[in-house]
Amino acid sequence: AQSVTQPDIHITVSEGASLELRCNYSYGATPYLFWYVQSPGQGLQLLLKYFSGDTLVQGIKGFEAEFKRSQSSFNLRKPSVHWSDAAEYFCAVKDTSAGGTSYGKLTFGQGTILTVHP
Amino acid sequence: SAVISQKPSRDICQRGTSLTIQCQVDSQVTMMFWYRQQPGQSLTLIATANQGSEATYESGFVIDKFPISRPNLTFSTLTVSNMSPEDSSIYLCSVEKPGVGYEQYFGPGTRLTVT
Repeated sequence: AQSVTQPDIHITVSEGASLELRCNYSYGATPYLFWYVQSPGQGLQLLLKYFSGDTLVQGIKGFEAEFKRSQSSFNLRKPSVHWSDAAEYFCAVKDTSAGGTSYGKLTFGQGTILTVHP
Repeated sequence: SAVISQKPSRDICQRGTSLTIQCQVDSQVTMMFWYRQQPGQSLTLIATANQGSEATYESGFVIDKFPISRPNLTFSTLTVSNMSPEDSSIYLCSVEKPGVGYEQYFGPGTRLTVT
């Protein structure tokens, strides 16, 4: 079964500092990977995705993520954090088994809460 | 992307009652999903609701407790039946847009508190 691990429950950074949120996945086939952000009281917003091709993907709000198959990782990065980036971040892997009953299912990590200090 | 609305946005209900949550999408989609986010937890898939077929439930979720309807390509409902305080969660619907990436977009969620 697929799974996602986000080792860091809570990360605190200063505004302007760089950020890296870790994500490790387990999936038998080529993974479709996503990062979502959830602000307090809000739904989930898609930041970026990886399916194939270039392993460094760019997303919205200045975020990027790098897929490393050898490490089963898909870490999210941002070179300079803004106070508005404070939120909870979720990494997810999608079930792409054609014809499977769970096709399309997203399995989420536990989330990483980001606090930004001024 | 897709614009998704959910009703109600929040509700406080008494144990033993039922609540039906509506999910409306601004365009036709084949695949819709219902997730639950318990307090301080991540999201867990309840079921997949494809138009024209019965909903497919994940392990630990049953139709009697979470009946789902999918009458057309833009609308779905999830009912939380015979509620208990353990059902207090945020319930989110999501849709998958066909095309490159098959991204899933999420509604704003329904925050349910059961007393």
